[in-house]
Amino acid sequence: QEHLVESGGGVVQSGRSLRLSCKASGFTFNQYPLHWVRQAPGKGLEWVAEIPSHGSWQYYADSVKGRFTISRDNPKNTLYLEMKSLRPEDTGVYYCARDLGGGTGHTFYAMDVWGQGTTVTVSS
Amino acid sequence: QSALTQPASVSGSPGQSITISCTGTSSDLGDYKSVSWYQHQSGYAPKLVIYEVSNRPSGVSHRFSGSKSGNTASLTISGLQAQDEADYYCSSKPTGSPVIFGGGTKLTVL
Repeated sequence: QEHLVESGGGVVQSGRSLRLSCKASGFTFNQYPLHWVRQAPGKGLEWVAEIPSHGSWQYYADSVKGRFTISRDNPKNTLYLEMKSLRPEDTGVYYCARDLGGGTGHTFYAMDVWGQGTTVTVSS
Repeated sequence: QSALTQPASVSGSPGQSITISCTGTSSDLGDYKSVSWYQHQSGYAPKLVIYEVSNRPSGVSHRFSGSKSGNTASLTISGLQAQDEADYYCSSKPTGSPVIFGGGTKLTVL
């Protein structure tokens, strides 16, 4: 069974940092592009960041560019999101998600496996 | 980049068909095939139900279908069931731009 499990969420003051982790199991982790997606309270889904299977580049939403860093440790089957200079508007549930394009060399930008999410609350 | 436009809510009775629209522009949806649809039930992780406009992932019911015409993508659910009640989101990936989600549509099964 393919699983993603996020951790690292919590309550943090504005301006501080937090690192989220996403542990994968049940599939060949190093073959898949991965994404972080968030959902603010009462709002819709917002794509945050992407990293390809090899991790050699990263792509970010404008809202987090320069503050967030996505990375992966393939031997540990783990995805990370380092969040700095946090703002109240970063509050929400953060999901890690697997891209459909595993082993194909193609990123579909369609996310077929999702974690349950971890909640980040940034207080002002 | 603005979110894609979806109706806030749609409803239907069991057994009926409903369609949810997702409207963008030629630069964020119309010219691209990376259009996906997700079902998000409260307390659960989102679930991919359609990718590349009209493809169903393995395990997704044939009652879910997708299409695109011009700058509007659509998700149709036929034979509506109570378990289909959820929020539905479209997404698109324009070349050189980030993934964009729609604002979400709440489906109520009457």
